[in-house]
Amino acid sequence: GAGVSQSPRYKVAKRGQDVALRCDPISGHVSLFWYQQALGQGPEFLTYFQNEAQLDKSGLPSDRFFAERPEGSVSTLKIQRTQQEDSAVYLCASSQTAMNTEAFFGQGTRLTVV
Amino acid sequence: AQSVTQPDIHITVSEGASLELRCNYSYGATPYLFWYVQSPGQGLQLLLKYFSGDTLVQGIKGFEAEFKRSQSSFNLRKPSVHWSDAAEYFCAVGGPFGNEKLTFGTGTRLTIIP
Repeated sequence: GAGVSQSPRYKVAKRGQDVALRCDPISGHVSLFWYQQALGQGPEFLTYFQNEAQLDKSGLPSDRFFAERPEGSVSTLKIQRTQQEDSAVYLCASSQTAMNTEAFFGQGTRLTVV
Repeated sequence: AQSVTQPDIHITVSEGASLELRCNYSYGATPYLFWYVQSPGQGLQLLLKYFSGDTLVQGIKGFEAEFKRSQSSFNLRKPSVHWSDAAEYFCAVGGPFGNEKLTFGTGTRLTIIP
């Protein structure tokens, strides 16, 4: 595709519900990143994939957060038993590699937990 | 640990005036530095990046930034702002290989007055 595509754009979840957020990176991009952006804050790193390998998941806030990229293309960020503090915009980015190249960001998914 | 400080939460400038947005970073080695812009409801767009070489970096939309190692700064400048420049601006540091784990500042919101 022309850019990084994320779906859904908006998601309202009841507290305790599980959610899945999808990211379609730019075709051929090896590296894929997830960030969480709380209201009025800068994005914060969650996790990073190189192809299907999850090389860094140090930013995932708890074991309720899980990300996968099974075929090295589309990625899904899953949040189990959502809580109000999970409300944020979740941004996905991709790049040709992680080294010396630009990361292109999607428009994000705004998650509101009620 | 790497960190980024953007001291100005909100800046207002007149259309046609010059602009400087401040960014200070903390990183143990030679940093990879980025400036991104985010319009409401949009993802992040890369304005410019510094990896190595010339410390004055030119970007898109007439922006430039200067890397000053002695001051741990990477300030963004534009000689004459346009109303369309109104947005949120984020400085970020990445490393050790590039963009694999970006740390963002809290952002500076730019308002343009006629």
